[in-house]
Amino acid sequence: QQPVQSPQAVILREGEDAVINCSSSKALYSVHWYRQKHGEAPVFLMILLKGGEQKGHDKISASFNEKKQQSSLYLTASQLSYSGTYFCGTVGDDYKLSFGAGTTVTVRA
Amino acid sequence: GAGVSQSPRYKVTKRGQDVALRCDPISGHVSLYWYRQALGQGPEFLTYFNYEAQQDKSGLPNDRFSAERPEGSISTLTIQRTEQRDSAMYRCASSLGSGQRGERQYFGPGTRLTVT
Repeated sequence: QQPVQSPQAVILREGEDAVINCSSSKALYSVHWYRQKHGEAPVFLMILLKGGEQKGHDKISASFNEKKQQSSLYLTASQLSYSGTYFCGTVGDDYKLSFGAGTTVTVRA
Repeated sequence: GAGVSQSPRYKVTKRGQDVALRCDPISGHVSLYWYRQALGQGPEFLTYFNYEAQQDKSGLPNDRFSAERPEGSISTLTIQRTEQRDSAMYRCASSLGSGQRGERQYFGPGTRLTVT
């Protein structure tokens, strides 16, 4: 079952912060975050495994609340290069990666 | 050290024709996945291979779609008697291990299929 992402879109100025949320109706084993730029393949950002961990990747970090079946991606001090569509992918009892509809992030100078 | 490659990158075909889409995973990757991505949506799972064994094909829309990976490396997704609704970006991904639930997948550039 497809996870739900919010917001659908966000516009930022360089240096601003944003949070993207991802929630699922099923118990999760892992959450995967990808960023996709127009016309390109999705690029891996990070995986969070159950256990409530938090991960960081430069100024992009994420948390995973297993009990709430939710994950959040944090964009801190955004840069122009952060623009793109962010997808969360969730994995439950099976190995299948189910992707959300995406959040389009636009960072302006 | 190349990434996942797919061919052709673009395919235009007439309704009713068969098409074959090829995926060449990263060398040594055990698992291979096929996805379909509609414009403005996330990738949608189609099928998955562990070596040459097709482990799950539950995401294939109907029996016009089939996939194989005969030698555990290159895979082909075949769509028979194409219909306009089959038009989409078809992406392949691979992962190093046997498809464990916490494993990173590497995506290819995709094949843009247009059925006229």
